[in-house]
Amino acid sequence: AQSVTQLDSQVPVFEEAPVELRCNYSSSVSVYLFWYVQYPNQGLQLLLKYLSGSTLVESINGFEAEFNKSQTSFHLRKPSVHISDTAEYFCAVSDNNAGNMLTFGGGTRLMVKP
Amino acid sequence: DGGITQSPKYLFRKEGQNVTLSCEQNLNHDAMYWYRQDPGQGLRLIYYSQIVNDFQKGDIAEGYSVSREKKESFPLTVTSAQKNPTAFYLCASSIDSSGPYNEQFFGPGTRLTVL
Repeated sequence: AQSVTQLDSQVPVFEEAPVELRCNYSSSVSVYLFWYVQYPNQGLQLLLKYLSGSTLVESINGFEAEFNKSQTSFHLRKPSVHISDTAEYFCAVSDNNAGNMLTFGGGTRLMVKP
Repeated sequence: DGGITQSPKYLFRKEGQNVTLSCEQNLNHDAMYWYRQDPGQGLRLIYYSQIVNDFQKGDIAEGYSVSREKKESFPLTVTSAQKNPTAFYLCASSIDSSGPYNEQFFGPGTRLTVL
């Protein structure tokens, strides 16, 4: 069975500072990894995903995540955050045994302060 | 515009009442999902449907029921048997469920509060 752990429930950070949101997973087979973002009282939007190939994936708004198989991690980073990045971020995993079922982590609330 | 709509946005229910949450998609997706979101627990799968007239229980199906009579619609009924129904409910869809790489698209959610 798969599982996802997001180690930090809340991450406060000042505007223009770098941030890392941590995600670790467990799975016995090859995995597919996703980061979703949720703004207050809204649904989830896909931020970026790792399916295969390059282990570093990027989003259009400056976030990036690196798949590290040996450490079973998929941490999300941004070198300089904006107030508008304030949201909840969810890491999710799927694998060939799960079909299209996603297993979500508990979420990390990113709070960007001016 | 293609997308997923959920209604109502906010719903209040008295204890002992059944309520139905609507989910409609015009993306021509085969697969649809219902999730429950509670603070600090992420999303948990309630039910999913891979094709019309077929659906399967997810991790927390007790106290819920669904139907899939049309491809574009997947309503969720929260019954009186659900002991703690106050939560944020999210509907999602994907092209199909044949592979783990198909992105799930989410609706805006319905916040249900039991009074």
